[in-house]
Amino acid sequence: DAKTTQPTSMDCAEGRAANLPCNHSTISGNEYVYWYRQIHSQGPQYIIHGLKNNETNEMASLIITEDRKSSTLILPHATLRDTAVYYCIVRTRGQGGKLIFGQGTELSVKP
Amino acid sequence: GAVVSQHPSRVICKSGTSVKIECRSLDFQATTMFWYRQFPKKSLMLMATSNEGSKATYEQGVEKDKFLINHASLTLSTLTVTSAHPEDSSFYICSARDLAGQETQYFGPGTRLLVL
Repeated sequence: DAKTTQPTSMDCAEGRAANLPCNHSTISGNEYVYWYRQIHSQGPQYIIHGLKNNETNEMASLIITEDRKSSTLILPHATLRDTAVYYCIVRTRGQGGKLIFGQGTELSVKP
Repeated sequence: GAVVSQHPSRVICKSGTSVKIECRSLDFQATTMFWYRQFPKKSLMLMATSNEGSKATYEQGVEKDKFLINHASLTLSTLTVTSAHPEDSSFYICSARDLAGQETQYFGPGTRLLVL
């Protein structure tokens, strides 16, 4: 599975949009981009995933560049409860695919 | 999203004893489950992948005789830490993949193990 690069940490003001970038320049054609977050001392929470089209759900939006070498997770109106470590992971579908976690981005939402 | 539970949520044991951690998918069937461990201020590290009815596949460097994994049904996997030592103290997290949906992988709340 390809590796990803994320900033170590980011701050965001409460109520503003949080834009979390991720580079995955070695992604291959059959790999999806997944985003998870982990709030302190809890298991990771699934946020969203996509292949090449932009995706949106009740939690966030995922913007994937046309060349698929990078993506951005957008939390449209960040709240204090969105403070967490956010992980961007690329994974193939099917039985062989595994979620391998990098270091993620520690997002701090401040009042 | 789908729900994965773990039991116990935290356990303290004496060095040399064995500890069993259960992972259940509550509202979906999971043919594949995963076990991770996480040390303080570190990322999750995949330990093994288990498929229902077959032997687990361990990641490099993970001792299969120390971390016994059983995946006897489509909703239950267990991890047994045998002859636990203080260095096995960690946060153990299981994950289950929902093959009926879009193969999204859901995580349990984790089990904190402290070996004295």
